[in-house]
Amino acid sequence: GAVVSQHPSRVICKSGTSVKIECRSLDFQATTMFWYRQFPKQSLMLMATSNEGSKATYEQGVEKDKFLINHASLTLSTLTVTSAHPEDSSFYICSARDPGVYGDTQYFGPGTRLTVL
Amino acid sequence: RKEVEQDPGPFNVPEGATVAFNCTYSNSASQSFFWYRQDCRKEPKLLMSVYSSGNEDGRFTAQLNRASQYISLLIRDSKLSDSATYLCVGPTDKLIFGTGTRLQVFP
Repeated sequence: GAVVSQHPSRVICKSGTSVKIECRSLDFQATTMFWYRQFPKQSLMLMATSNEGSKATYEQGVEKDKFLINHASLTLSTLTVTSAHPEDSSFYICSARDPGVYGDTQYFGPGTRLTVL
Repeated sequence: RKEVEQDPGPFNVPEGATVAFNCTYSNSASQSFFWYRQDCRKEPKLLMSVYSSGNEDGRFTAQLNRASQYISLLIRDSKLSDSATYLCVGPTDKLIFGTGTRLQVFP
């Protein structure tokens, strides 16, 4: 299957700092990428849809000024958690949509575990 | 009603058993669904796509029941390595995940 990478895989930061997470589709072009967040023992929650060349679409309850998304190319989307606080500690996962020959399939990055002290 | 709902389990089954999970969906216009598998502290991985005629891949069979608006995943001859959380995923432009069903296969 297609490969999606995420960087960094793990980050620990102090409260009040900003953290940038990168999501790359390595062998296909993704006009659409998605950002999810998963708290322990809970399901993945969609945060936002990232569209190449346009503004991201945020889900209800997700602050767009806190979670900045940039999708500057067909293979890269970034999520910046601004002024992070301990409650932002979570597992952040991106996915990229591969249109493919047989229809859309989404492939996930390996996730970024964020810990805010 | 949530767009996608699953029984969280856990399902504890012995090796070799057959186990089935169901997932209900609310959008009757939905066309396709997916089953993902997620291991602890890992990202979800695509297990199977589920289209109108269902899908079978080795020990795994996925079915779609439009009349009752649910999809199912059947695992035959369970292996220890099948232990994971199985996520039912809805078919909109953006993937909506169910809470997942935890499966634990024991020796």
